[in-house]
Amino acid sequence: EAGVVQSPRYKIIEKKQPVAFWCNPISGHNTLYWYRQNLGQGPELLIRYENEEAVDDSQLPKDRFSAERLKGVDSTLKIQPAELGDSAVYLCASSPPVETQYFGPGTRLLVL
Amino acid sequence: AQSVTQLDSQVPVFEEAPVELRCNYSSSVSVYLFWYVQYPNQGLQLLLKYLSGSTLVESINGFEAEFNKSQTSFHLRKPSVHISDTAEYFCAVKGGYQKVTFGTGTKLQVIP
Repeated sequence: EAGVVQSPRYKIIEKKQPVAFWCNPISGHNTLYWYRQNLGQGPELLIRYENEEAVDDSQLPKDRFSAERLKGVDSTLKIQPAELGDSAVYLCASSPPVETQYFGPGTRLLVL
Repeated sequence: AQSVTQLDSQVPVFEEAPVELRCNYSSSVSVYLFWYVQYPNQGLQLLLKYLSGSTLVESINGFEAEFNKSQTSFHLRKPSVHISDTAEYFCAVKGGYQKVTFGTGTKLQVIP
């Protein structure tokens, strides 16, 4: 069974540029999460989807971050414009109801 | 609100020695508890989990954790560590509204 797929794996951009990350969850997993992990820290939830509905986006900086999961399967997280402080690893995870999360490999973003 | 505390940011230990990585949590509701491991330059992988039943849970590579409700702890232990156990370990709690909170991580450094 394929795991959570994320692309790109690495991204380097200049500040003020836009960037987008893509996630394809494990087939059948209704719940999808986007996390941000700063160096030396644990993952911090940005947004959680149940199917196509964003049920928890309280930690998403909505002035520059946006996300979508239009058909309740794959998802895109966008930053526009990116700032230096956005440099981090962006993790996508998925889970069936109630159960354990399974993480993708992450996208490492460097904003110069 | 729920929270997870991993007091030790780094734990050095000699190979074949025992190790304990501490995790304490707070939550106003019943929780599920998880330990994730992150090897260098890799994504988060589930190590073990407590959902219900026996309070002592084990992983396939010799780690175990015990859920202690009265002390709100879920410490991770291994009686004899190997070089390959060098990684960062994250404790996580899943509580109300399926919200998942991660600790800040503990870097385990196994010294040959």
